[in-house]
Amino acid sequence: GAVVSQHPSRVICKSGTSVKIECRSLDFQATTMFWYRQFPKKSLMLMATSNEGSKATYEQGVEKDKFLINHASLTLSTLTVTSAHPEDSSFYICSARDGGRTETQYFGPGTRLLVL
Amino acid sequence: GENVEQHPSTLSVQEGDSAVIKCTYSDSASNYFPWYKQELGKRPQLIIDIRSNVGEKKDQRIAVTLNKTAKHFSLHITETQPEDSAVYFCAASNGSSASKIIFGSGTRLSIRP
Repeated sequence: GAVVSQHPSRVICKSGTSVKIECRSLDFQATTMFWYRQFPKKSLMLMATSNEGSKATYEQGVEKDKFLINHASLTLSTLTVTSAHPEDSSFYICSARDGGRTETQYFGPGTRLLVL
Repeated sequence: GENVEQHPSTLSVQEGDSAVIKCTYSDSASNYFPWYKQELGKRPQLIIDIRSNVGEKKDQRIAVTLNKTAKHFSLHITETQPEDSAVYFCAASNGSSASKIIFGSGTRLSIRP
């Protein structure tokens, strides 16, 4: 199957700093990527849809100024958590849609963020 | 928007027995239904999916059934093995190129030896 990488896998930062998470599709082009947040023992909550070359579409309740998304190329989307606070601590996972199979999404390995 | 409900939240079965997880969806426009398996601390892995033009799909010990009229779909795992222990998520999408996938709440499956 298609491969999606995510970096970093784990990050610890101080409250008030910003953290950037990268999501890459390694062997396919992804015009659309998705960013999810997952709390312990909970489901994946869709935060936003990242569209190459255009603005991201955010889900209701997700602050676009807090979670900045950039999809500058067909293989890279970034999520920046700005002015992070302890409540932003979570597992963030991206997924990318394989353009050859429009429905199937492949997930990155996730980034565990801990804000102190 | 789409809402996907999943039951049960936890399921424990004896090794070798079958496990069934059920989901319902609300949006009649949904036509793509993937199932993901997630092990602790790992990424979700697609294990099987079904599109609305079929009622059943099988892949070795895993099968999925879809009832579009009732907006129900189910995952069946037969001859369960210890490595089947994980969290399973159902999901629904309308299948367009920009469509988002909405996940169910997950089922934690434990296989008793």
